[in-house]
Amino acid sequence: QVQLQESGPGLVKPSETLSLTCTVSGVSITSYFWNWIRQPPGEGLEWIGYIHYSGSSDYNPSLMSRATLSVDTSKNQFSLNLRSVTAADTAIYYCAKWDEARRAFDIWGQGTMGAVSS
Amino acid sequence: EIVLTQSPGTLSLSPGERATLSCRASQSVSSSSLAWYQQKPGQAPRLLIHSASSRATGIPDRFGGSGSGTDFTLTISRVEPEDFAVYYCQQFGGSPLTFGGGTKVEIK
Repeated sequence: QVQLQESGPGLVKPSETLSLTCTVSGVSITSYFWNWIRQPPGEGLEWIGYIHYSGSSDYNPSLMSRATLSVDTSKNQFSLNLRSVTAADTAIYYCAKWDEARRAFDIWGQGTMGAVSS
Repeated sequence: EIVLTQSPGTLSLSPGERATLSCRASQSVSSSSLAWYQQKPGQAPRLLIHSASSRATGIPDRFGGSGSGTDFTLTISRVEPEDFAVYYCQQFGGSPLTFGGGTKVEIK
């Protein structure tokens, strides 16, 4: 079955770049749209953006162009780079598969904590 | 940006009672673009309902979705102990995709 697994450093310093990777198993990454969603501790969900292997992408304007998503088809992975982080970027980061037919996220990773602290 | 407002913030119920959760959009949303998720502590969200009223694979029929335009509802006909969780609505009728703030269903 389709599974997603996030990975990346748990802690970065303010003004640095948070880099996370999502490894996809059970399906080719050339299918579907792939997303990042985050959740600050004790708060709700915020969509970061999506990427398609063709290069098509979209981002939440709330991130003020600090986010970049990319795909590595050879590794069946996709990644998030979030630049110029502050404490407000501390959150659990989830990767998720978008089902276009259902217009919903049908598969989620378990999430990885991304903390920003000096 | 379409803002989704969920109410109530917290719903206190006993097992066996009916739960009614509301999701109101700041502008009209296509029913095909409205989904509901359940999130338990320490877990990722799980898709419950897509297209406003269609249950996702493996979701029990005590969960039901309805609504159109700007008003959508998630109903749990008889709340089971495993249903105590936070529920989120989500829309992607237009970018950016947005989530509601969530409704917590807690044990009374």
